[in-house]
This record gives sequence, C-alpha cells and structure tokens, in this order.
Amino acid sequence: VQLQESGPGLVKPSETLSLSCAVSGGSVNDYFWSWIRQPPGKGLEWIGYFYHSGIMSYNPSLRSRINMSVDTATNQFSLKLTSVTAADTAVYFCSKYSSGMDVWGPGTMVTVFS
Amino acid sequence: QSVLNQPPSASGTPGQRVTISCSGSSSNIGTNTVNWYQQFPGSAPKLLIYSQNRRHSGVPDRFSASKSGTSASLAISGLRSEDEADYHCAVWDDSLTAWVFGGGTRLTVL
Repeated sequence: VQLQESGPGLVKPSETLSLSCAVSGGSVNDYFWSWIRQPPGKGLEWIGYFYHSGIMSYNPSLRSRINMSVDTATNQFSLKLTSVTAADTAVYFCSKYSSGMDVWGPGTMVTVFS
Repeated sequence: QSVLNQPPSASGTPGQRVTISCSGSSSNIGTNTVNWYQQFPGSAPKLLIYSQNRRHSGVPDRFSASKSGTSASLAISGLRSEDEADYHCAVWDDSLTAWVFGGGTRLTVL
C-alpha cells in the first residue's frame, strides 16, 4: 500500500481544512486509516482513525472539529477540520492503521494564516 | 507538553549500542504495547517496532525494544551513520482514548 496526501497549502483562520489521501496498492475498504499531524519543529499528534463501515476513534482534543470519510469510487479517504486557527498549522500525514500507524504518506504542509 | 517523555537528544559513535527511553504512565505504557518510529528530516515517520518488540518488515535486527512498568526503551546496536534521525515512541492511552506520542529524540552519530 502507498499513500499520497493532497490539499490546499494555505487555509484562512475560521475556515475548514480539507485533505485527501489517495490509496494505491490496495482498496480503501480493506483497512483502517488514520491521520496524524506534526507542527513545525514539534512532535507528532494523532488526529484519529476510522474504517469505511463507520467505526472510528478521534482524538478527544479535536473531536468536535473533525470529520473523516471514505470515497470508494476514487479509492481515497479524507479529513475535514473545521474552524482552524494558527495552532492547526502543521504537516499532515495520512497512514494505514494496523498495529498502530504502519504505512505513512509523505505528508502535506498546511499553513493557517490570513 | 507530550504525554510520553523522551530525552530530546542522544548520541553515539559508530558501532556503539545506544538506547532511547520513553516514560509514560499506567494508562498507556503500563497497559499497552509501544510502537517506535524513525523519522528523517523532511520525511514521514517509518514504523520500526510494533506490539512492543516486533520489527516491522525490512527493519534490521540491530533495532530492538523493551518495556518495564511504565517505561519503554529502544535499543540500536552496531550504530551506523544512517541511523542518525529522530525517534518517536507511541502508545494507546486508555484514559485519553487516543494514541499518544513522545516528543521525539534526535539521535546523532558522532
């Protein structure tokens, strides 16, 4: 399985961040998926994981602003994070979730600024 | 402030054995198995160790991990220059109901 994130590099405060992760080498319905982020110069923060059937677990600190979904037709999954602030500026990674996050995409940098 | 505590830096010389520690609590390391990740600057993390001490596909047996109580450690034997990277520990926290990471340890090969 290989993963590739895509999305806007810049988002304005209070808007919604939308990212997609393209899956190759496997079906998006076959595995659990996860999102993780890393602010510049800082450690990793787990955002959540989910399965196409609706099983999900989100980081409680972000739960009220997160939505994850799957697009079977395009073999992609996505992350939406609402009401962003500068604190959401980070590199966002998608990953396959098995015994933890075992395969990662290269990451995409998202900057929140006006 | 990370939930798991790692030293910010570690170092060793080629051929040496180095260990990186990860300290947690009863709700995370004390209960669940720890994963370890390797990250080179500008790149995504790569899984090294999962389920406490199982090496991910392709990871050399120079890398090993252990746990005692609420602390875990990653050991790298026969240190090589290509091991210079950031290392992160991660574990599920039953109280937070979330995966938590350490702040990462930058390993320098002198």
